[in-house]
Amino acid sequence: AQSVTQLGSHVSVSEGALVLLRCNYSSSVPPYLFWYVQYPNQGLQLLLKYTTGATLVKGINGFEAEFKKSETSFHLTKPSAHMSDAAEYFCAVSDGSTNAGKSTFGDGTTLTVKP
Amino acid sequence: GAGVSQSPSNKVTEKGKDVELRCDPISGHTALYWYRQSLGQGLEFLIYFQGNSAPDKSGLPSDRFSAERTGGSVSTLTIQRTQQEDSAVYLCASRNPDRGGELFFGEGSRLTVL
Repeated sequence: AQSVTQLGSHVSVSEGALVLLRCNYSSSVPPYLFWYVQYPNQGLQLLLKYTTGATLVKGINGFEAEFKKSETSFHLTKPSAHMSDAAEYFCAVSDGSTNAGKSTFGDGTTLTVKP
Repeated sequence: GAGVSQSPSNKVTEKGKDVELRCDPISGHTALYWYRQSLGQGLEFLIYFQGNSAPDKSGLPSDRFSAERTGGSVSTLTIQRTQQEDSAVYLCASRNPDRGGELFFGEGSRLTVL
């Protein structure tokens, strides 16, 4: 069984400030980990993913995340927030050993960027 | 088109009516998923199709919900005798297991049950 916990349903930062969205996962098999972003009235799109190899992964729009197995975490960061980053962010985990089955999502974190 | 297509984009129905939601996945994607997103909630897994294997129906909330996938392509999610708590956005996603685990989502079908 797999699960995802996103700490903080709402995060608010000032424009130009660091963005940190937290994600912890539980998986009995090697995980694939993902961050998706959902802009208002749109579907989800992939920001970045970890499958194997380098634990620090970079995605679109300046976001990055680090897979820390010992901490079962995959936190999302961006050095400097932009107004256009305001959206809902979802962390997800799937079975990396078979690359099959469902992806399990967290409850999401709404990011607000203040001018 | 190149993306996942869902229809209708919006559906308003009366309690007790049946509804059908359609998903047309990306060509060549063998895996197809349905999720439900209620207001202010995360994504709730409903059902997963992979090739010719039996679907994983473990997320369907009741026997009023069913889904099928014809010819390994288009999928239809059917909700019978709709209830107000069925109001949500129903998201479809497809995946090519040979090219990593990410899901490609449609824009969703917003269902409102009056």
